[in-house]
Amino acid sequence: DGGITQSPKYLFRKEGQNVTLSCEQNLNHDAMYWYRQDPGQGLRLIYYSQIVNDFQKGDIAEGYSVSREKKESFPLTVTSAQKNPTAFYLCASSIASRAEAFFGQGTRLTVV
Amino acid sequence: AQSVSQHNHHVILSEAASLELGCNYSYGGTVNLFWYVQYPGQHLQLLLKYFSGDPLVKGIKGFEAEFIKSKFSFNLRKPSVQWSDTAEYFCAVTVTGGGNKLTFGTGTQLKVEL
Repeated sequence: DGGITQSPKYLFRKEGQNVTLSCEQNLNHDAMYWYRQDPGQGLRLIYYSQIVNDFQKGDIAEGYSVSREKKESFPLTVTSAQKNPTAFYLCASSIASRAEAFFGQGTRLTVV
Repeated sequence: AQSVSQHNHHVILSEAASLELGCNYSYGGTVNLFWYVQYPGQHLQLLLKYFSGDPLVKGIKGFEAEFIKSKFSFNLRKPSVQWSDTAEYFCAVTVTGGGNKLTFGTGTQLKVEL
């Protein structure tokens, strides 16, 4: 099936540990995105990438890092510098320019 | 930078009532507008989109939205809601020439009661 796969669905980590969230797409989309969803705040853009080996900071990039070594993959690392990492993380992809974004099922990260 | 405002955070309606959810954006240039829906336990999916042409766009499940450029608005409407429309609704915008950066509003939680 074509789509976006995020894994795992639920993730628990201890405070101070880095954690990497996986996002893979087989839609042949050029652009990929990471959003964070918190109750009452909608979706806020963390990082996005228009092409391989290139990415830009979104509105809330501090404490996060990404890589785009392959077109299909856009992993997000939540570092220990992120002050409030517990959240629901959504990955999306789109054909670059004027196109709808397709979303994965999300990863719920809990840091204890 | 573009931004999106959704004025209604929580809406409760009875079945068969009409729905209108407000969405305003702030950007003076050419925009592309979207409404997404997130049903409980499901992933975010597209309801409808506007790129150009007829400002009244129709989407899935009987939803429609009207782009009013002079008011910077893209309100979502449905003449008669159903219990299955209970979900969270997000308005979003991209700016032409802005690298396809999709900016979302804060969302409106709709509950439809039987």
